[in-house]
Amino acid sequence: QVQLQESGPGLVKPSQTLSLTCTVSGGSLSTGGHYWSWIRQHPGKGLEWIGYIYYSGFVSYNPSLNSRITISLDTSKNQFSLRLNSVTAADTAVYYCASTSTPVAGIYTWFDPWGQGTPVTVSS
Amino acid sequence: QAVLTQPSSLSASPGASASLTCTLRSGLDVGPYWIYWYQQKPGSPPHFLLKYNSDSDNQQGSGVPSRFSGSKDASANAGILIVSGVQPEDEADYYCMIWHSSVVVFGGGTKLTVL
Repeated sequence: QVQLQESGPGLVKPSQTLSLTCTVSGGSLSTGGHYWSWIRQHPGKGLEWIGYIYYSGFVSYNPSLNSRITISLDTSKNQFSLRLNSVTAADTAVYYCASTSTPVAGIYTWFDPWGQGTPVTVSS
Repeated sequence: QAVLTQPSSLSASPGASASLTCTLRSGLDVGPYWIYWYQQKPGSPPHFLLKYNSDSDNQQGSGVPSRFSGSKDASANAGILIVSGVQPEDEADYYCMIWHSSVVVFGGGTKLTVL
């Protein structure tokens, strides 16, 4: 059973780079079959998909965040990471990592499992 | 205009039915889209409920009670989550989601209150 766990600093200063890591257990990032995603939730608000990475290194990003984000893989550690540049208070949120199976016959699947989420505050 | 619009709140009495809507932006036809539904309770990540494309093409999440079902209203250009026989434990936030050109979009969520 795949499990995900986010880690990273809970406080980031404005204009700096937010860096988070998701450690995957019970599954391998070195093989295909899954998209590895980041999703965030602003305080008291809804969900916002940030992007995903495939084992090949292929990425897809939210167009509204595309210029500031990088998602990468470290297969030796079975981790994938998020970097979000030039953060502002508007990036304060709970950040989740999650997984989906790759589409079959063009039909996508759902996010499962999810990590428990890690809160990040952007403040000086 | 948001891609997916959900009412911010909905109330239902125990035992009643509740219909939560997810309206697609003008220019997007709900017909071809699979609509995914999640439930989120405070302090927990979202939990997948079901995905719906048509009455003959849908999938329930593992362990999800059958009182949760999906539908579409083509005239309203909307996906619908139906909770039949609402239970107190169904009080939660509900989010719809679509895949749109390999990009994921979530609706803003509906808070279901069980009175």
